[in-house]
Amino acid sequence: KNQVEQSPQSLIILEGKNCTLQCNYTVSPFSNLRWYKQDTGRGPVSLTIMTFSENTKSNGRYTATLDADTKQSSLHITASQLSDSASYICVVSPSYNNNDMRFGAGTRLTVKP
Amino acid sequence: GEEVAQTPKHLVRGEGQKAKLYCAPIKGHSYVFWYQQVLKNEFKFLISFQNENVFDETGMPKERFSAKCLPNSPCSLEIQATKLEDSAVYFCASSQSVGELFFGEGSRLTVL
Repeated sequence: KNQVEQSPQSLIILEGKNCTLQCNYTVSPFSNLRWYKQDTGRGPVSLTIMTFSENTKSNGRYTATLDADTKQSSLHITASQLSDSASYICVVSPSYNNNDMRFGAGTRLTVKP
Repeated sequence: GEEVAQTPKHLVRGEGQKAKLYCAPIKGHSYVFWYQQVLKNEFKFLISFQNENVFDETGMPKERFSAKCLPNSPCSLEIQATKLEDSAVYFCASSQSVGELFFGEGSRLTVL
């Protein structure tokens, strides 16, 4: 069973609307949680990195939250744009370095005009 | 360079042929990681290097897959005797010891 579960699997929203993507994990111990954006045919690009002590981090219209007690994270996208159409991948690491990272299967977001 | 450079972007091989992929990490990054991405966005860790030394190879299939990171050369991932199930996008990523992980654009391998 994957230690990082993302929901929904896919999502379609209209341009300008907000949306929230979910990530639940069972990885233990926990060091950090990252959200990546992967455009079709491209490599993942980092949006946010949060450690145990951080419960929210923003990057422009992207805001990630983390509840380390319930082992849940969310990525909120505000005022969506067509360019937000991509896969969003939650990655959890049990160690301080970049080794042993656990990937979620991603949420495929489509923003329609 | 300022980005992780992967070549080739696309590679087509007949079953049983050899495939070799290359990755130039960002200058100054001492860690290199290889991942395999198959359908449904599942990323599978293959191997990591700290400079030219293997750091973690727990994800590497025991047979057919090998990788190297030699000084002053791009890192490489080689698959001997490719199988249909090796068809995937192979991503290379690099980083300093901690912090952000930078991915390349990937190399798509199609085995026919």
